[in-house]
Amino acid sequence: DMKVTQMPRYLIKRMGENVLLECGQDMSHETMYWYRQDPGLGLQLIYISYDVDSNSEGDIPKGYRVSRKKREHFSLILDSAKTNQTSVYFCASSFRDRAGNTLYFGEGSRLIVV
Amino acid sequence: QQQVRQSSQSLTVWEGETAILNCSYENSAFDYFPWYQQFPGEGPALLIAIRSVSDKKEDGRFTIFFNKREKNLSLHIKDSQPGDSATYFCAASGTQVVGQLTFGRGTRLQVYA
Repeated sequence: DMKVTQMPRYLIKRMGENVLLECGQDMSHETMYWYRQDPGLGLQLIYISYDVDSNSEGDIPKGYRVSRKKREHFSLILDSAKTNQTSVYFCASSFRDRAGNTLYFGEGSRLIVV
Repeated sequence: QQQVRQSSQSLTVWEGETAILNCSYENSAFDYFPWYQQFPGEGPALLIAIRSVSDKKEDGRFTIFFNKREKNLSLHIKDSQPGDSATYFCAASGTQVVGQLTFGRGTRLQVYA
């Protein structure tokens, strides 16, 4: 069953608290991604991971960090969350072997920072 | 400057009409152009894609028309159905950076019965 699973689906945090968003996939994909989606702004790439402990910044990495210790698992961490990090976060995964691979997205994690 | 630009934030059509969603891009190195479809409360999912060596790609009611010289493409949804109501993202990538897609801001399509 090809699936990307995100936990938690909904989260409310106070400003300054730490946030952990977790993502798992069962397709043995090498590459995993974290995006955020805001109304009118589309999908913005935060981080990309090419494999275990091989992570690269995307377009908007400031305020975020990631961890990938197992191929099937990719975490997004917000140290001291800010109100402007209120958003819907999507994890995705794909094979790495060639350009033009399909991205498989999870259902999203809605984060509200108050 | 947006690398991938979708000309309309929203589009409304009646059931049975052809919906046309437009997209343009800046980077000449882009050679792969997928369209992703997203329903409310869900993640985006690949709908159809085209490579720059082709000028047309068809899959059922969905067709991409691609113009490399003008750096633009369009998604045509023939015989639109209310179930097609969703947000559509145009995206692009080049062979230089494997898998890293640049997304447009999306067009929200509403199909009325």
